[in-house]
Amino acid sequence: GENVEQHPSTLSVQEGDSAVIKCTYSDSASNYFPWYKQELGKRPQLIIDIRSNVGEKKDQRIAVTLNKTAKHFSLHITETQPEDSAVYFCAAVNQAGTALIFGKGTTLSVSS
Amino acid sequence: GAGVSQSPSNKVTEKGKDVELRCDPISGHTALYWYRQSLGQGLEFLIYFQGNSAPDKSGLPSDRFSAERTGGSVSTLTIQRTQQEDSAVYLCASSSQGGNNQPQHFGDGTRLSIL
Repeated sequence: GENVEQHPSTLSVQEGDSAVIKCTYSDSASNYFPWYKQELGKRPQLIIDIRSNVGEKKDQRIAVTLNKTAKHFSLHITETQPEDSAVYFCAAVNQAGTALIFGKGTTLSVSS
Repeated sequence: GAGVSQSPSNKVTEKGKDVELRCDPISGHTALYWYRQSLGQGLEFLIYFQGNSAPDKSGLPSDRFSAERTGGSVSTLTIQRTQQEDSAVYLCASSSQGGNNQPQHFGDGTRLSIL
């Protein structure tokens, strides 16, 4: 079945720096890759997603890139702010197309 | 409703008891998903509903776990004879239609603690 690996597990940056989180997936048939942000004790919130027919998508300070050949996708956050501090999860659709398979998460800490 | 609603928000019960968790999806969403999140871990898929049927229940960890959905809306996840390893946050999500590449929106979850 689908397997999603996420790196790094923790990431600490200074306010204003960029942050990059990388994920790899195993099932070449996967065609949808969302990213979720989860603050402590809160629900996961969808922040951006990408479908396999595009290579990059941007929304203000957040961008996601997808390399289908290498089966990896990345989240880029520019000009980080303390409120970006949270756990970020990448995901890919499973082989049956019925559920999301999540990475284990990256704890991002932005210090001011 | 405005979002996915789950109840109770917290549940503490003794080992061996049965528990029932409820999820009310976003109005009009036909697809509903249950996930489990253990402390400091990622989200683990449990079961997927399309309408009232469950085409994928491959993530249910044992036969103590079951779920149903009636009327194409509210779903309940039941755990029988609870064990300590069942302690986790149980999250429900819904999307406007099933299948891949549709955004899933999560509820706040039920934090289940088994004593």
